[in-house]
Amino acid sequence: GQNIDQPTEMTATEGAIVQINCTYQTSGFNGLFWYQQHAGEAPTFLSYNVLDGLEEKGRFSSFLSRSKGYSYLLLKELQMKDSASYLCAVLDSNYQLIWGAGTKLIIKP
Amino acid sequence: DVKVTQSSRYLVKRTGEKVFLECVQDMDHENMFWYRQDPGLGLRLIYFSYDVKMKEKGDIPEGYSVSREKKERFSLILESASTNQTSMYLCASSLGRGATDTQYFGPGTRLTVL
Repeated sequence: GQNIDQPTEMTATEGAIVQINCTYQTSGFNGLFWYQQHAGEAPTFLSYNVLDGLEEKGRFSSFLSRSKGYSYLLLKELQMKDSASYLCAVLDSNYQLIWGAGTKLIIKP
Repeated sequence: DVKVTQSSRYLVKRTGEKVFLECVQDMDHENMFWYRQDPGLGLRLIYFSYDVKMKEKGDIPEGYSVSREKKERFSLILESASTNQTSMYLCASSLGRGATDTQYFGPGTRLTVL
């Protein structure tokens, strides 16, 4: 079966750095997405990776290793507004998105 | 900016009622999707549509149907609501069928079935 694993919850301190991991086992691979979802709101797009390596976008970076079935989202200079759930999703061989359950990130002052 | 709107933020219905959830997008997107989101589970795809009057079953279509009569509107129908359909329902749209297509989500409808 298809499976995406990410930690259920993480806690970090304002101003620090946090890395949210995502491992996947899917039938084929056509890219990996990260979305941010604040409580009670819709998910919003953060990043897309299809090739190995690191993609940087401001305070957020996303890394992919296709051979390891692994990705991470790196958040730097954490702000209180970064408290949210972060969803990892993989586009499989049929171009269907397979979603992880999300990682709830709690930022403490 | 893409805007996806859903007809209700909160809805309370009784078991056995017919429920309509409406979704409208204003960016001429080809693809539209209906998901449900439950605590501890990832987003689960109910139905999707790549074109007007076209629909495809997702992972959990049982108990649901959909309608897409116009490109901008995608409706989810619960023919006879049951308590296990209490959930957050999210509608999304994307431009085309390319691998890099970002999905844009509506604000969600939290449905409670009593």
